[in-house]
Amino acid sequence: QVNLLQSGAALVKPGASVKLSCKASGYTFTDYYIHWVKQSHGKSLEWIGYINPNSGYTNYNEKFKSKATLTVDKSTNTAYMELSRLTSEDSATYYCTSPLFDYWGQGVMVTVSS
Amino acid sequence: DVVLTQTPPTLSATIGQSVSISCRSSQSLLHSNGNTYLNWLLQRPGQPPQLLIYLVSRLESGVPNRFSGSGSGTDFTLKISGVEAEDLGVYYCVQSTHAPLTFGSGTKLEIK
Repeated sequence: QVNLLQSGAALVKPGASVKLSCKASGYTFTDYYIHWVKQSHGKSLEWIGYINPNSGYTNYNEKFKSKATLTVDKSTNTAYMELSRLTSEDSATYYCTSPLFDYWGQGVMVTVSS
Repeated sequence: DVVLTQTPPTLSATIGQSVSISCRSSQSLLHSNGNTYLNWLLQRPGQPPQLLIYLVSRLESGVPNRFSGSGSGTDFTLKISGVEAEDLGVYYCVQSTHAPLTFGSGTKLEIK
């Protein structure tokens, strides 16, 4: 069955970067885009963008263009999202998900604190 | 960006009661290809969201048929016909007709 396994929680300092992973299994990795979604504590969901694992093509929400960088490693069926120049506003849970939102990773909590 | 306005923000229901959640869009969600890309998700406490309904009214596999979706253009509704205890959580509508994808603000369903 389809599974999206995300990396563990991260505690990072302001100004630093963090790279989150999302390992896909149960389907052909290059067949479907991977989307990333942000959920700040107790709040709604925000779409960050998606990557086409086959071509590496990315499409970002304008709001996250200077914050997030999406990449993939086809050899390991893993998608990555790097968040840069972190501030307290970036503290949130981040999910990877399929294009129809029918499969979700378990989420990874990122805490930005000195 | 398309704004999705969900009402009510919170909903309290007894077991067996039928409830409806509204999702209104600031723009029509009818795509030029004839599809309307409006989905409904449920996020149970401590869990990632799960897909309930896609393309306005299509029930995701494995989702109980007490859930149903309807609507067109800018007005959409999720109905639960006979709430069960496991239905508690936050319901979100999400549109992918227009970029960027956007989510509603959520409706929290509580069980009395």
